[in-house]
This record gives sequence, C-alpha cells and structure tokens, in this order.
Amino acid sequence: EIVLTQSPATLSFSPGERATLSCRASQSISTDLAWYQQKPGQAPRLLISDAYNRATGTPARFSGSGSGTDFTLTISSLEPEDFALYHCQQRSQWPRTFGGGTKVEIK
Amino acid sequence: EVQLVESGGDLVQPGGSLRLSCATSGFTFSSYSLNWVRQTPGKGLEWISYITPSGVTMYKADSVKGRFTISRDNTKNSLYLQMNNLRDEDTAVYYCAKETPGEFWFESWGQGTLVTVSS
Repeated sequence: EIVLTQSPATLSFSPGERATLSCRASQSISTDLAWYQQKPGQAPRLLISDAYNRATGTPARFSGSGSGTDFTLTISSLEPEDFALYHCQQRSQWPRTFGGGTKVEIK
Repeated sequence: EVQLVESGGDLVQPGGSLRLSCATSGFTFSSYSLNWVRQTPGKGLEWISYITPSGVTMYKADSVKGRFTISRDNTKNSLYLQMNNLRDEDTAVYYCAKETPGEFWFESWGQGTLVTVSS
C-alpha cells in the first residue's frame, strides 16, 4: 500500500500570505496525485488532479507541482475562504490512499 | 446539477449490520464508476470500495474485506454499501463519491452519513 505523508498536520498563516503544503509518497507515483479541500461540516472538494491540473472552478491562486514522491500544493495569496483542511490522494495503485491531511488555520 | 445523497447511517452495536444508500441525480448514473470513502472523527479519509458502471468489477479495502459489500442499481440511480459484522473502528462519516470518467479522481461527493458503532 502506498502511504502518503502530509506534514505538518497544521499550518498557520495570515490572509494574503503564501502557503505551501507538502505531500510525500512512500514510492513513486508519477503524477497520479490529487488535492482536495474540505471545510468544516462539508465533503471534500477536488481542487487539483494529475498533480498540477486545476479542477473546474478551482481559483488560479491554487497550483500543484511535483512528480515521483514529492508534491506541493501552493496557495499564492490566502483568501479567508481558503482556511480549511487539505488532503492529498493517489490513484497509482490499489488501494487508493489519502494523506492524513493538513489544516491551514488563521494565525 | 450533480447530486449524491447518502442515507442509512445510524447507531449500531458491535457485530451488527447496516445498509447505506446513495441516491443520485444530475448525471448518467450507469456511465460512472462510484466509490465509498469514509472519514473517522478528527482523522483522515479512507477509501473503502469501488464499483464499475456495470457493477461487474468491485474492489475493497483490506479493512472491510469479508464484511462490506458494494452494489448498485442502475435502474434506480442508486449505490449501496452493505456493512456486516461492524466494529468500533468502523465509526465514521461515510461518503459516496463519483469518479471523473477514466481518470479515477473523486470529482463529486455526497454530504455523508454518520455510522456509529458502539455498545
């Protein structure tokens, strides 16, 4: 099973700051990685697929990068609505696995 | 508009059974692969099970093999999860999720239904 590690579990920023989130895979997964955003009481929402493709409706301030084992989600300038929980997920192998999540909170 | 609405979550004793349903609308149900994904309180997401559009092929996580069964009814636009021999660690919010065709990403999710396993 491919293990995805997201660290740290919590990041604190002020609105307007740049946020960089990390996701590391236990083995190479090419670009078979997605990012999801989840707000309290809501289901996850697909943000980025194939490591760097923005999903429909994802604002341009969100960008994904990386391949192999190391991936990054960058939010160029945090808006109030971006403070949420972010998950990464791989589709390279069964079972599909998720990282443990990184919460982006207001400093 | 794509909609997925889960139901059937409840409080159940260890060893008990429950059947979850996911009613859908807004897309051609019989053309899409579907999944169940759960989220334990305060923790991350765990993929549980997958089913192809025809229902012929299914995959399950090791944690639920032999206990959970995914199924679908393309005439009712509905997805199901039969859960038997429930354990405390199955306590979670269960989501149904529709895949991006041919790409295996979870592009649409329901709002979830809470299953609590406790004596």
